[in-house]
Amino acid sequence: QKEVEQDPGPLSVPEGAIVSLNCTYSNSAFQYFMWYRQYSRKGPELLMYTYSSGNKEDGRFTAQVDKSSKYISLFIRDSQPSDSATYLCAVIDSNYQLIWGAGTKLIIKP
Amino acid sequence: DTGVSQDPRHKITKRGQNVTFRCDPISEHNRLYWYRQTLGQGPEFLTYFQNEAQLEKSRLLSDRFSAERPKGSFSTLEIQRTEQGDSAMYLCASSLRGGEQFFGPGTRLTVL
Repeated sequence: QKEVEQDPGPLSVPEGAIVSLNCTYSNSAFQYFMWYRQYSRKGPELLMYTYSSGNKEDGRFTAQVDKSSKYISLFIRDSQPSDSATYLCAVIDSNYQLIWGAGTKLIIKP
Repeated sequence: DTGVSQDPRHKITKRGQNVTFRCDPISEHNRLYWYRQTLGQGPEFLTYFQNEAQLEKSRLLSDRFSAERPKGSFSTLEIQRTEQGDSAMYLCASSLRGGEQFFGPGTRLTVL
């Protein structure tokens, strides 16, 4: 079992829809949870990170962590075609290294 | 531009040849990371440096791969005797101590 599991998609939704992206992880000791966005042929860029459980909001983006179920989510409100990208979740392990999910390819249709 | 830069952006080589990639991190960042990413996968950790010291290498990293950061600034990643399975995007990232990692645009390697 991979330490971080993420459905690769693609996930295709119409413009304006609410998008829900999800990951599960295996080690209950993980405390830092990250979401990166990666456009085609570019490196990943950090969108948001959360520490422990709870929600964090930044504009149209909300990150949510449920440690009881080892589930992390990213919600995008009022999705735009410019949000089309691959979204990668990652956790930080005890050596401060990033452990990545496979990434979900998101397509927002105009 | 003060971001992470990588050179070249794309490299095509024949199997068996050696290739070298360069990464210039954000200037005040003391940590530098190398990752490999294949299509449909997240980045796979290869190695990282704190200043000029190589502190960790993935056990997946074969002895054909070597990385250096001689003066604690830019880094090079060399792959000797390339194989078709080495075809991937090679990403470099830098951070200040263990903080947020900032990624470069990557070098796409194609081994024919």
